[in-house]
Amino acid sequence: DGGITQSPKYLFRKEGQNVTLSCEQNLNHDAMYWYRQDPGQGLRLIYYSQIVNDFQKGDIAEGYSVSREKKESFPLTVTSAQKNPTAFYLCASSKGGGGGLNYGYTFGSGTRLTVV
Amino acid sequence: GEDVEQSLFLSVREGDSSVINCTYTDSSSTYLYWYKQEPGAGLQLLTYIFSNMDMKQDQRLTVLLNKKDKHLSLRIADTQTGDSAIYFCAESRGSGYSTLTFGKGTMLLVSP
Repeated sequence: DGGITQSPKYLFRKEGQNVTLSCEQNLNHDAMYWYRQDPGQGLRLIYYSQIVNDFQKGDIAEGYSVSREKKESFPLTVTSAQKNPTAFYLCASSKGGGGGLNYGYTFGSGTRLTVV
Repeated sequence: GEDVEQSLFLSVREGDSSVINCTYTDSSSTYLYWYKQEPGAGLQLLTYIFSNMDMKQDQRLTVLLNKKDKHLSLRIADTQTGDSAIYFCAESRGSGYSTLTFGKGTMLLVSP
């Protein structure tokens, strides 16, 4: 079955370290997204990518970086510049624009990052 | 306006109907979505409605859209304890490509 896989499920990071969160999809979706979820804050968009080798900043991109070298993969790096990285990170994908089911996102199961 | 607003919490008894409300501010929104999130999991797409529709029904779920008031609601009939989760509404804006904007989510608690 097709789906979107995030790994690891739990991640612990020491202050000052960079960490990379993995997101892989086999849905043949063109667009991929990274969201951060904090209690009471809902979902906030970090980065998104519509096609390979192209990506755009979302609302809270500072302290994060991404790459999109393959259609299937959209890894997120949380750098030491991110002041408050402890959160639940969600990756999603969609076929692209156009609305309806083509536009509805499919989400991964998330990665919980904790800074220790 | 940028925000999608939802009430934060709703508590119902098993077997009752639940109504979760959402307001949005962008009149150019084309599609509106409802997602469900269970604890520690990702979001699951429940249903969506196109902006030229007033209502959409899918088994126990009924979506109502009042475009004039920019108000969206999700009604869950015969609510079960397994429906306890956080429910997010989201909008896509404009006719071209755009990302989804999510509300902060409504936590639904269903008691036996």
